Amino acid sequence: SSELTQDPAVSVALGQTVRITCQGDSLINYYASWYQQKPGQAPVLVISGKNNRPSGIPDRFSGSSSGNTASLTITGAQAEDEADYYCNSRDSSGTHWVFGGGTKLTV
Amino acid sequence: QVQLVESGGGVVQPGRSLRLSCAASGFTFSTYALHWVRQAPGKGLEWVAFISYDGGGQYYPDSVKGRFTISRDNSRNTLYLQMNSLRAEDTAVYYCARDYTLGSDNSFDPWGQGTLVTVSS
Repeated sequence: SSELTQDPAVSVALGQTVRITCQGDSLINYYASWYQQKPGQAPVLVISGKNNRPSGIPDRFSGSSSGNTASLTITGAQAEDEADYYCNSRDSSGTHWVFGGGTKLTV
Repeated sequence: QVQLVESGGGVVQPGRSLRLSCAASGFTFSTYALHWVRQAPGKGLEWVAFISYDGGGQYYPDSVKGRFTISRDNSRNTLYLQMNSLRAEDTAVYYCARDYTLGSDNSFDPWGQGTLVTVSS
């Protein structure tokens, strides 16, 4: 099985831009999806595929990828964006799924 | 709207069994694959099980393989997770989530609110 590696914590000033990264061999073959989780709540999908935002997700959230690294960018971070963010993809076998360890974003 | 509601969590002794349910509404249940994902207290997310739209395919990580069984009843729009030989390390909030797959695009959306399983004597 493969792993996805995220920085444990990232901070950003209000209104500034922040990038959260996710590294793993499986990302060469599969797009990462990104989830936001606030305390006591279930995860919410914010980005999937090449750069797809579900309905209701603000356009300040965007995704990108290069090689074995996927990135979630928040352009103009807001106080309500403070949360844990997890990346996810299938592993190289295609029959298992793996999550990154999560990044705690402080705004 | 699309909704997933888990139930069946609780406190159980090590070595015992528990069955979780996930009731779905707002979409054509029988055409979607589904997952279980868990989160131990203060920890990250861990994928636990996958089942195909018709129940014909199931996958598990090594941590639960042979102990957990995922199943579904498409006539009742309900997903299940049978958990046997429970261990303290299985203590977690268990979420069900709908699978979305299109080529190399894979995601989990939406998620249920979760149900807490505590394995303790």
